[in-house]
Amino acid sequence: QKEVEQDPGPLSVPEGAIVSLNCTYSNSAFQYFMWYRQYSRKGPELLMYTYSSGNKEDGRFTAQVDKSSKYISLFIRDSQPSDSATYLCATIREGAQKLVFGQGTRLTINP
Amino acid sequence: ETGVTQSPTHLIKTRGQQVTLRCSSQSGHNTVSWYQQALGQGPQFIFQYYREEENGRGNFPPRFSGLQFPNYSSELNVNALELDDSALYLCASMNPSGDPYEQYFGPGTRLTVT
Repeated sequence: QKEVEQDPGPLSVPEGAIVSLNCTYSNSAFQYFMWYRQYSRKGPELLMYTYSSGNKEDGRFTAQVDKSSKYISLFIRDSQPSDSATYLCATIREGAQKLVFGQGTRLTINP
Repeated sequence: ETGVTQSPTHLIKTRGQQVTLRCSSQSGHNTVSWYQQALGQGPQFIFQYYREEENGRGNFPPRFSGLQFPNYSSELNVNALELDDSALYLCASMNPSGDPYEQYFGPGTRLTVT
């Protein structure tokens, strides 16, 4: 079993839709949670960074962590074609060095 | 742009050869991590360097080795290349005075082993 599970998609939605991206993880020691966006042939770009459970909002993006169910979500409101990319969830234990990534979900926003 | 740069952009090598990849971290970032990203997969942690010392290693064989220099730039060396080493190699740097565990990635080096 992978430490972080993420549906690879692909996911295709119309412009303006609300997008929900999700991951589950297995290790309750994970404390920090991130979402990265990766455009084709580019490096991952840090979008959201949260500690422990709760919500964090940044513009059209909302990250949600539910540690009781080991569930991580990213919501994108008013989605735009420029949001088309692969979205990677990642997590890390306190004091650890390595980020543990999900497989990534490929998202396409259709104009 | 994160300020993390990597070179070269692309590289083609033959099985059994050796390769060196380079990374310049963002100014002031003294911690550099290297990741391997196979096609269609998430990045996998190779190792991390902090103040020129290895500070953690993932599940990669010893033929993957690294260096960090006094200016915090870093190299990844891979010996005896195998076909499965074909991947995007990413380096990421961390700001010691920022939020812990925020890692900023470079654009990557795409390595093809034939």
